[in-house]
Amino acid sequence: RKEVEQDPGPFNVPEGATVAFNCTYSNSASQSFFWYRQDCRKEPKLLMSVYSSGNEDGRFTAQLNRASQYISLLIRDSKLSDSATYLCVEGSSNTGKLIFGQGTTLQVKP
Amino acid sequence: NAGVTQTPKFQVLKTGQSMTLQCAQDMNHEYMSWYRQDPGMGLRLIHYSVGAGITDQGEVPNGYNVSRSTTEDFPLRLLSAAPSQTSVYFCASRLAATYEQYFGPGTRLTVT
Repeated sequence: RKEVEQDPGPFNVPEGATVAFNCTYSNSASQSFFWYRQDCRKEPKLLMSVYSSGNEDGRFTAQLNRASQYISLLIRDSKLSDSATYLCVEGSSNTGKLIFGQGTTLQVKP
Repeated sequence: NAGVTQTPKFQVLKTGQSMTLQCAQDMNHEYMSWYRQDPGMGLRLIHYSVGAGITDQGEVPNGYNVSRSTTEDFPLRLLSAAPSQTSVYFCASRLAATYEQYFGPGTRLTVT
């Protein structure tokens, strides 16, 4: 089983839609999780951190469910500019390394 | 601050050639890492360093060497290029105290 798993998609949604991605992790001891955004052929950039109480930033909400070992990213009122690949990342409490999921691709259509 | 810089942006090598991908950061970050990204595989860690003079292997280290003689620079050497090393390579850095990682723009390498 991969340490961090994501549905690669693609998720195709119309502008204005609400879309949610989930990501599962295998290390129950991990404390820190993140969502990175990667535009086509560009480098990944940090979108949001996810801590035990979750996090909200404008149209984006990230939540952590420890019991089921998954994190989620909710995007409300999708914009064309939200089209990208969203990477789920675990900060390993064992090694200090970042463990990346393979990414979920979102396409927002007009 | 320039952030994380990588050179070259694109490279084509023949099988068996060697080369060095350059990476530098000007943020005084302790941690630096090299990843490769292949379709459907996500980002895989090649080598990383927690400070000058200290390096360690990641998930896919075979065929690559690194060194960290200064805080700023973390070059990645391909010893004898193989077609399986065709990929996009990202260098990244961060402070030891946080998980917020900054990536360079990437090097697109093709080995024929």
